[in-house]
Amino acid sequence: GDQVEQSPSALSLHEGTGSALRCNFTTTMRAVQWFRKNSRGSLINLFYLASGTKENGRLKSAFDSKERYSTLHIRDAQLEDSGTYFCAAEAGTGGYKVVFGSGTRLLVSP
Amino acid sequence: DAAVTQKPRYLIKMKGQEAEMKCIPEKGHTAVFWYQQKQSKELKFLIYFQNQQPLDQIDMVKERFSAVCPSSSLCSLGIRTCEAEDSALYLCSSSDRGAETLYFGSGTRLTVL
Repeated sequence: GDQVEQSPSALSLHEGTGSALRCNFTTTMRAVQWFRKNSRGSLINLFYLASGTKENGRLKSAFDSKERYSTLHIRDAQLEDSGTYFCAAEAGTGGYKVVFGSGTRLLVSP
Repeated sequence: DAAVTQKPRYLIKMKGQEAEMKCIPEKGHTAVFWYQQKQSKELKFLIYFQNQQPLDQIDMVKERFSAVCPSSSLCSLGIRTCEAEDSALYLCSSSDRGAETLYFGSGTRLTVL
């Protein structure tokens, strides 16, 4: 079935550094979203991509449907970036279906 | 396929009707969350259960929704009187360690006409 493998499951960064989160898909996905969980538990939408790349401040995301992956790059990490990030992919077949990755817990330290 | 099962996949209701959607959490998970998503935007937190007890919920849920987890293997989210603004994708997720790693179901897409 449709699956999303998100990595890493946990990530520690020092302030000012950067890294990338990745989601691999087992099948062709139509679009991908990246979310960050806020303190109330809501998942705030960071990016929605049907293809290509998008950038917003210190975050940049890419989605390659053919190669079946998406990435979320964080540069110049700040303490407030700490939290849990999820990717979610819209399956390309069988009607509307959203499949989530298992999340990445990011901890940014001084 | 998702370890969390949601039914039905699609639900169509008229304004004023009652709606109910179900969620079977992953076996062994003690935390269950419901989210609402409109137009591929943010997933809005609705309610959180821990060991079948509701620990946190937003005001909208208190006022117009009914949510229960009568057993560790079945939860339901109901809308007492559907309104057009309730049209959305409703996602259920479960976790075995509070809210650190969430496993999501495929969702129930509710359309209120």
